[in-house]
Amino acid sequence: AQTVTQSQPEMSVQEAETVTLSCTYDTSENNYYLFWYKQPPSRQMILVIRQEAYKQQNATENRFSVNFQKAAKSFSLKISDSQLGDTAMYFCAFMKRRLNFGNEKLTFGTGTRLTIIP
Amino acid sequence: DAMVIQNPRYQVTQFGKPVTLSCSQTLNHNVMYWYQQKSSQAPKLLFHYYDKDFNNEADTPDNFQSRRPNTSFCFLDIRSPGLGDAAMYLCATSRDGQGANYPSYEQYFGPGTRLTVT
Repeated sequence: AQTVTQSQPEMSVQEAETVTLSCTYDTSENNYYLFWYKQPPSRQMILVIRQEAYKQQNATENRFSVNFQKAAKSFSLKISDSQLGDTAMYFCAFMKRRLNFGNEKLTFGTGTRLTIIP
Repeated sequence: DAMVIQNPRYQVTQFGKPVTLSCSQTLNHNVMYWYQQKSSQAPKLLFHYYDKDFNNEADTPDNFQSRRPNTSFCFLDIRSPGLGDAAMYLCATSRDGQGANYPSYEQYFGPGTRLTVT
């Protein structure tokens, strides 16, 4: 079974600063996806960024980037130039990768509540 | 816009009184999920439908049932809600199919239904 650990229950940062959210995971799988999902207050969860484990290059989506360390089983999210709209709960999640059809379940961490201070 | 819709957003029910939560989607996705998310915890998968095939998680209580009458709609039935069932219930969808090029990793979430049991 997979486990995902987010050791920072809450974080806060000034607007325009950079913040890094930590995530570690444990798995015996070699092929998998890692995700960061964002859940704003009273709004639906949306996918921020994903990383495929077989890719060495770290994923980047605009102000969001990850530091993926496969050997260390670490997957941190960096938010640059943070904005008020980044205030949300952030979940790290793991999914086994299949080559053929058939979904695997998402395993979520417990989340980090991020507050951007004006 | 294509989306995942959950009704109602807030539901209050009495202890032991059956309640049904609904989810609809305009994405035409073939996979639909129900998650339970308690305060400050990670979403926990209850079950999912792959097309018409129902897949229950091993630790989902019998008190929770689901129906999917067609591609667009999925219902969560709680037969006898207890105080411990008070939570946010999230519906999500994804598409899946045969072949490695058919992306199945991303789940699209609805805004959730917050259930209160009195």
